[in-house]
Amino acid sequence: GESVGLHLPTLSVQEGDNSIINCAYSNSASDYFIWYKQESGKGPQFIIDIRSNMDKRQGQRVTVLLNKTVKHLSLQIAATQPGDSAVYFCAEITGGSYIPTFGRGTSLIVHP
Amino acid sequence: KAGVTQTPRYLIKTRGQQVTLSCSPISGHRSVSWYQQTPGQGLQFLFEYFSETQRNKGNFPGRFSGRQFSNSRSEMNVSTLELGDSALYLCASSLVRGTSQETQYFGPGTRLLVL
Repeated sequence: GESVGLHLPTLSVQEGDNSIINCAYSNSASDYFIWYKQESGKGPQFIIDIRSNMDKRQGQRVTVLLNKTVKHLSLQIAATQPGDSAVYFCAEITGGSYIPTFGRGTSLIVHP
Repeated sequence: KAGVTQTPRYLIKTRGQQVTLSCSPISGHRSVSWYQQTPGQGLQFLFEYFSETQRNKGNFPGRFSGRQFSNSRSEMNVSTLELGDSALYLCASSLVRGTSQETQYFGPGTRLLVL
């Protein structure tokens, strides 16, 4: 995952734009990946997941892309809305351990 | 259906004390996992319980412990608190298989401040 300090990377977009949030994962043996959204004062909320035998998965307004060659995961949000403003982070899980490792997160700010 | 509930929501303790946090999973969920979230380290897995047994454990010292009751409710305990234990402690529940096979639902967390 990302290695940042106390300050999260921030992505600032206009309402209606498409957003792309990136995550570099650490373990080439990880076979399950999850994106979470965390709004201020709340616990993380599951958005979408993908297994390592896939390179793309689509949900409602969200798409996750997995590039195993460079150990990179991205979350694309279409037509971003102010309600999408939150911290987004990825999690990687290796089948043998079932213990998730989380990225630090990216703060998405959507301007109306 | 009610979501995951955690009590208390906020807690202030002093160094050396111990603390117990409680988590009630979604009805019917049998797996409960605990996480620590800090600005410096992000979100880290503590442990997971299923059927009153610890099934997985993260890389935390023995001061951090937990248990699960027959109704799937879970508690975690931190003994001999240190300043660095100040964090948001999150509980998540899922039906059967914790993190690898199914969606976890998180509670709002307990914010612990150690002075």
